[in-house]
Amino acid sequence: DTGVSQDPRHKITKRGQNVTFRCDPISEHNRLYWYRQTLGQGPEFLTYFQNEAQLEKSRLLSDRFSAERPKGSFSTLEIQRTEQGDSAMYLCASSRGTPGEETQYFGPGTRLLVL
Amino acid sequence: QKEVEQNSGPLSVPEGAIASLNCTYSDRVSQSFFWYRQYSGKSPELIMSIYSNGDKEDGRFTAQLNKASQYVSLLIRDSQPSDSATYLCAVGSGGSYIPTFGRGTSLIVHP
Repeated sequence: DTGVSQDPRHKITKRGQNVTFRCDPISEHNRLYWYRQTLGQGPEFLTYFQNEAQLEKSRLLSDRFSAERPKGSFSTLEIQRTEQGDSAMYLCASSRGTPGEETQYFGPGTRLLVL
Repeated sequence: QKEVEQNSGPLSVPEGAIASLNCTYSDRVSQSFFWYRQYSGKSPELIMSIYSNGDKEDGRFTAQLNKASQYVSLLIRDSQPSDSATYLCAVGSGGSYIPTFGRGTSLIVHP
């Protein structure tokens, strides 16, 4: 399978615990994005990388969230001290192309439930 | 603040009919427009992209773009029950790699 993959697909955790998600993009794509989606809403942008550089973070992104893409390949998203409001689907997407004309391809997502 | 507006629906159409999904956007310099399909509990799947005014057809799907009216639509001909899903509109602006997504329109195709 040459698509975007994410791991784990589901995560249940208790409030206050830390969680880490992984995303493996399509191999030739140099840009990688993280989104969060809650029921009835469209994907909400969190952050994106071009190669290993994190170029933009949403102003809505709490400092409990951190993302890395150490070698410009896979990426991890960590949420520290989880809260019930963090419960959502976390989507990863990858792309390549020119600004405003590229297409993002999404992974299957990681569904997080914080109890 | 870039906004992408979609009627949340649900839009209900009978099998075999044409489903028309609409999207408006606020950023006048938007250059790229995407329609994604999302089944319940799944991730978005790209259906079509369109960059120029006019129509773009791909099988049963037609995207229509009118930049002057800041309006993009998706027509689904011969709708099937398997088309029942949420359809997300996404809009990209020149100079930005980050598209803005609408909240999606729920489509129900009933037999």
